Amino acid sequence: QVQLQQSGPGLVKPSETLSLTCTVSGDSIGTYYWSWIRQPPGKGLEWLGYIYYTGSTNYNPSLKSRVTISVNTSKNQFSLKLSSVTAADTAVYYCARRHGGVYYFDYWGQGTLVTVSS
Amino acid sequence: QTVVTQEPSFSVSPGGTVTLTCGLSSGSVSPSFYPSWYQQTPGQAPRTLIYTTNTRSSGVPDRFSGSILGNKAALTITGAQADDESDYYCVLYMGGGISVFGGGTKLTVL
Repeated sequence: QVQLQQSGPGLVKPSETLSLTCTVSGDSIGTYYWSWIRQPPGKGLEWLGYIYYTGSTNYNPSLKSRVTISVNTSKNQFSLKLSSVTAADTAVYYCARRHGGVYYFDYWGQGTLVTVSS
Repeated sequence: QTVVTQEPSFSVSPGGTVTLTCGLSSGSVSPSFYPSWYQQTPGQAPRTLIYTTNTRSSGVPDRFSGSILGNKAALTITGAQADDESDYYCVLYMGGGISVFGGGTKLTVL
């Protein structure tokens, strides 16, 4: 069974970089596409971007200048970095597996609430 | 930038049928947008219900169905149950690797 386990700090200071990691078990990261999605408190979901095991990435145009997604195939992990954070980046962040050919998310991490505050 | 539109809220009576829709601020939704639907209850990660317009994800009851209705994607719940009360999100594939979530519909069963 595929499982995605998220890790990373729940509190980040304004102007700093948010960093989260998603560890995949039950599947090789060398298949599918691996995404990050976030949800501000009380609001809807927002797709941030994805990475393929080759390192190929694609990002939400509205956040492209601040988002970096990377992959570590030896650890079956992928990671998110969001730079220059503000209070508006406070959200629950989810990692998810996305199918390449039919473009849907089938497995999700448990979610991590990241609060941006000094 | 194209916006994916959903009804902010909807209500249905227990046992009733409800259809939620997913449209575009400009243009029509077709199967080439690979519409998918997700159910989310408070504090939980989303659960995949439907993908490629009308394919149910594993374990999803057949009272959930997807379709294209007119110029929108649609999620129909037939015989609504109390535990269907949730937020529902659609996702459309915009091409170029880009996926866009709709704003979500809060469904009340009462």
